[in-house]
Amino acid sequence: DAGVTQSPTHLIKTRGQQVTLRCSPKSGHDTVSWYQQALGQGPQFIFQYYEEEERQRGNFPDRFSGHQFPNYSSELNVNALLLGDSALYLCASRPDRLNTGELFFGEGSRLTVL
Amino acid sequence: GESVGLHLPTLSVQEGDNSIINCAYSNSASDYFIWYKQESGKGPQFIIDIRSNMDKRQGQRVTVLLNKTVKHLSLQIAATQPGDSAVYFCAETRRTGNQFYFGTGTSLTVIP
Repeated sequence: DAGVTQSPTHLIKTRGQQVTLRCSPKSGHDTVSWYQQALGQGPQFIFQYYEEEERQRGNFPDRFSGHQFPNYSSELNVNALLLGDSALYLCASRPDRLNTGELFFGEGSRLTVL
Repeated sequence: GESVGLHLPTLSVQEGDNSIINCAYSNSASDYFIWYKQESGKGPQFIIDIRSNMDKRQGQRVTVLLNKTVKHLSLQIAATQPGDSAVYFCAETRRTGNQFYFGTGTSLTVIP
C-alpha cells in the first residue's frame, strides 16, 4: 500500500512564474491538506480539500490555489512566485470519517524560487 | 495564527536516557494536541495525540502529558535510541480539527 506520494520532489523556478505541485493521498483517504514548511520552521497550513471543495484555508494569499480530483488526488498551484515562496510543500491525507490528527504526510516538494 | 511554541530548539541526550520535549500553547480554545517526528528529508510522522479531556496518554516508549492550567504539554521518550534523532513538533487544533498549528520544532540528537 503506497503512502502519500508527491511530485515533483525538487524544482527551481524564477520570480513571477507559476508552479503546480501534485499529490496522491494514501489509499482510502479522501481528505487532503497542504502545508508550507520554510527552512527551520514548522509546517504552516495552506488549505484542506474534501469532496473536491476547499473546506478550510489558512492565512495564505489568493496566489495559492488548489484542486481536488474525483480520485481524491490534489494539486497545489502558486502564481506570481516570490522569493519567499521557497519552501518544502507538504501534502497530508487522512480519512475524513475518523476526524483524527493522525495525518499521513508525503516527503514533500522542495521549491526554490530564484 | 500560530499559538504553539517550544521551549528549546535543540536537545542532546545519551543513548538509553529518557528525553523530555516541552511545548507551550496560548489559545484556551485548543482542544486537541498531536506530536509529530520529522526525520531529515522526510515528511512529519505522527507519534501520539491527546485530547483536552485527558492529562496523560501513553504509547510505545512515549508518553504525552497535558497541563491545561498552564497550557503546557510534553513528550517523554523512554530509553532514547539513535533512531529517535529527529525534529519533534507539537501541533494543536480547535473545534473543526481541519487546521493544525505546528510549533517551530525541537531537534533531538541522540549521542551513542
